[in-house]
Amino acid sequence: DAKTTQPNSMESNEEEPVHLPCNHSTISGTDYIHWYRQLPSQGPEYVIHGLTSNVNNRMASLAIAEDRKSSTLILHRATLRDAAVYYCILYNQGGKLIFGQGTELSVKP
Amino acid sequence: KAGVTQTPRYLIKTRGQQVTLSCSPISGHRSVSWYQQTPGQGLQFLFEYFSETQRNKGNFPGRFSGRQFSNSRSEMNVSTLELGDSALYLCASSLAGLGANYGYTFGSGTRLTVV
Repeated sequence: DAKTTQPNSMESNEEEPVHLPCNHSTISGTDYIHWYRQLPSQGPEYVIHGLTSNVNNRMASLAIAEDRKSSTLILHRATLRDAAVYYCILYNQGGKLIFGQGTELSVKP
Repeated sequence: KAGVTQTPRYLIKTRGQQVTLSCSPISGHRSVSWYQQTPGQGLQFLFEYFSETQRNKGNFPGRFSGRQFSNSRSEMNVSTLELGDSALYLCASSLAGLGANYGYTFGSGTRLTVV
């Protein structure tokens, strides 16, 4: 299973943008890059995913490097409710999401 | 639209007993996956079902089993419970059986405590 590498923790100030990096040097051509987040005492929540092109949705943006060996999740204006553990996952098929340790994001008011 | 529903939310069992957890996916989703979350091991994949067939299985002992019904609802069963089975069990559903270009929606989980 292809692996991802993320920083253990990051801090942000409220209402500022946050860039969460993820390295996935062993990504294969058919792997999608998925991001999920988990708030305390809740199940993970889908954030965004992409294959090759940058993606935007109402929650975040996903910037994918041209060689696909890294990606960045961008929260445009962090709020206190964005404090969570963010997981970057390579997903191919078969329903198997491999969760690493993720990045714990804290947001300061 | 209704999300992924897991029942029960909390459960306390004694070592050696067995337990069955239930998951109702989002309407139209035919892929259902199960995960175990513990403080020490994090989120670990148990198995995935699509159209009543198990397509993928994680590295868990045979005491952990599951099934999916024709309406896509799924159950997982753990037999001969051990203290180490205490965890949050999460279910997720998706249209992903049609390809990898879909995200998964998770339920709130069942908190199992084995005493």
